[in-house]
Amino acid sequence: NAGVTQTPKFQVLKTGQSMTLQCAQDMNHEYMSWYRQDPGMGLRLIHYSVGAGITDQGEVPNGYNVSRSTTEDFPLRLLSAAPSQTSVYFCASSYSISAINYGYTFGSGTRLTVV
Amino acid sequence: DQQVKQNSPSLSVQEGRISILNCDYTNSMFDYFLWYKKYPAEGPTFLISISSIKDKNEDGRFTVFLNKSAKHLSLHIVPSQPGDSSVYLCAASAGNQFYFGTGTSLTVIP
Repeated sequence: NAGVTQTPKFQVLKTGQSMTLQCAQDMNHEYMSWYRQDPGMGLRLIHYSVGAGITDQGEVPNGYNVSRSTTEDFPLRLLSAAPSQTSVYFCASSYSISAINYGYTFGSGTRLTVV
Repeated sequence: DQQVKQNSPSLSVQEGRISILNCDYTNSMFDYFLWYKKYPAEGPTFLISISSIKDKNEDGRFTVFLNKSAKHLSLHIVPSQPGDSSVYLCAASAGNQFYFGTGTSLTVIP
């Protein structure tokens, strides 16, 4: 099925551990992004990419790292997990950066708990 | 500091009546506005958008109105159906970044 696939769906980490949240899309979308959703706050942009090899920071990039080696994949790395990174993470993609104004395709999310 | 605000956390409407969901924003540089539906344990699903050069956009039962002077947009659903029950997220963009509101949970009562 075409769409955005996020793995894992759930993860528990200990403080200081590192991990990678995976995101893959099979729609040949150039634009990909990562958001986090916290209670009482709207979705906030962490990092985004407008194409393979090109990434940029969003509103809340600290503690996260990204790379975009292929069009299909956009992994999000937590370098040293902190309890403040407990959140639901969404990956989203769009055909192009101009097309984001006509809606993203979102993955189903990864619920991360840092203890 | 929230640049996009949805001040009503919840709304209940009878089936067949109009649902009006509201959204306020602070940044006059926003040039596109979108509405998404979100179900639990799923990612948001795009619903409808409007450019800042327009004041209305319609798609079937869904209409979005934009009042730039008031920095306010609203989503009208007419007639409301039980399947419309969901959380609705408002979003606004400036350049490459979107800013989302916290959502309004709509319940359509049969």
